[in-house]
Amino acid sequence: AQKITQTQPGMFVQEKEAVTLDCTYDTSDQSYGLFWYKQPSSGEMIFLIYQGSYDEQNATEGRYSLNFQKARKSANLVISASQLGDSAMYFCAMRELNYGGSQGNLIFGKGTKLSVKP
Amino acid sequence: DGGITQSPKYLFRKEGQNVTLSCEQNLNHDAMYWYRQDPGQGLRLIYYSQIVNDFQKGDIAEGYSVSREKKESFPLTVTSAQKNPTAFYLCASSMVGQGSHQPQHFGDGTRLSIL
Repeated sequence: AQKITQTQPGMFVQEKEAVTLDCTYDTSDQSYGLFWYKQPSSGEMIFLIYQGSYDEQNATEGRYSLNFQKARKSANLVISASQLGDSAMYFCAMRELNYGGSQGNLIFGKGTKLSVKP
Repeated sequence: DGGITQSPKYLFRKEGQNVTLSCEQNLNHDAMYWYRQDPGQGLRLIYYSQIVNDFQKGDIAEGYSVSREKKESFPLTVTSAQKNPTAFYLCASSMVGQGSHQPQHFGDGTRLSIL
């Protein structure tokens, strides 16, 4: 079974509007972390935002916020006031903790391609 | 500026040839990773290393080899045993410690194609 599911292969948004990119995850661990990365057409992966499973507040970083609903196992990325430069692939990823509290490896979803229309 | 440098940006492999992708970081990170990305897919872990002179196989290690002789460097060799090497390869690094919060930082990638 997939651990990270991104159900939207592609999304369109009008410039200056907000957009939500969906991510659901599957884990039986109580302690884990959720990450979002942006991949422009040039290929590099850019870290955007992090949410810990014990964080009570939703993470925010500038125009990015993470809508974390733990009971539903969802970690949607919200981009406010979309810009043309936001056009890219967006990947959701999860890291579980190994026994003893050390970091596990990142598990990535298949991504959502966001296109911002002028 | 601190960062991760991957070279070359583009690489072509002939049939039966081994090729080596370079990854260097000056972030003083202990952990380094290699991922493969195929079109329309997410990243799949090939190998990772959390300390010098030690590394572990990821999900798709067959046909690949790595070394970690220095903290800053984690080269990936795509051997002739890898029958479908055409892909985009990304190297990453991160701090190591307790907790799940350390993000991985990525290089710009190497695009490998078969001649």
